[in-house]
Amino acid sequence: GAVVSQHPSRVICKSGTSVKIECRSLDFQATTMFWYRQFPKQSLMLMATSNEGSKATYEQGVEKDKFLINHASLTLSTLTVTSAHPEDSSFYICSAPGTSGNYEQYFGPGTRLTVT
Amino acid sequence: DAKTTQPPSMDCAEGRAANLPCNHSTISGNEYVYWYRQIHSQGPQYIIHGLKNNETNEMASLIITEDRKSSTLILPHATLRDTAVYYCIVRDGNQGGKLIFGQGTELSVKP
Repeated sequence: GAVVSQHPSRVICKSGTSVKIECRSLDFQATTMFWYRQFPKQSLMLMATSNEGSKATYEQGVEKDKFLINHASLTLSTLTVTSAHPEDSSFYICSAPGTSGNYEQYFGPGTRLTVT
Repeated sequence: DAKTTQPPSMDCAEGRAANLPCNHSTISGNEYVYWYRQIHSQGPQYIIHGLKNNETNEMASLIITEDRKSSTLILPHATLRDTAVYYCIVRDGNQGGKLIFGQGTELSVKP
């Protein structure tokens, strides 16, 4: 099946700094990618839809100026957490729809962000 | 999207069938039932999906009731590696891939 990768797999940063997370579709093109956040013992929460060549669409309650999304190419979307704070510490996961029938979603392995 | 209700946790003996229920009583006619699972600290993995007919693949079977208000995911011979959180999601097939996750069922397969 199709593969989605994320980089880095884990990152520790100081409060007030910005962190960029990359999401790549390795063997297929993705005009759309999705970003989720997951706190411990909780379910995945959809943050935003990343669209190649246009602005991202954010879910209600997600600050677009804090979570900057750039979908620069058909295989790469980036999520930048700006001015990170400890409450932004979470597991960030991206996904992309498959190209055959759009019924299957391929997820990346996730990025563990810890803000100290 | 229609909401789903799943039991928070279930246990299953290794080698036995695991039957995971899901209620989606407000499902509409064009909405599919999808199942994903998430092994601890990994990204979710697609398992199976269906509209109204029962479906089977190499991972599992999906049984959807005739009124489509509930479904059951069946892992025919559970192994320890099937321990995960299983999510039942109902979604319009034309929504461009967006998935809204509920709380899921934490399945523990025990030796």
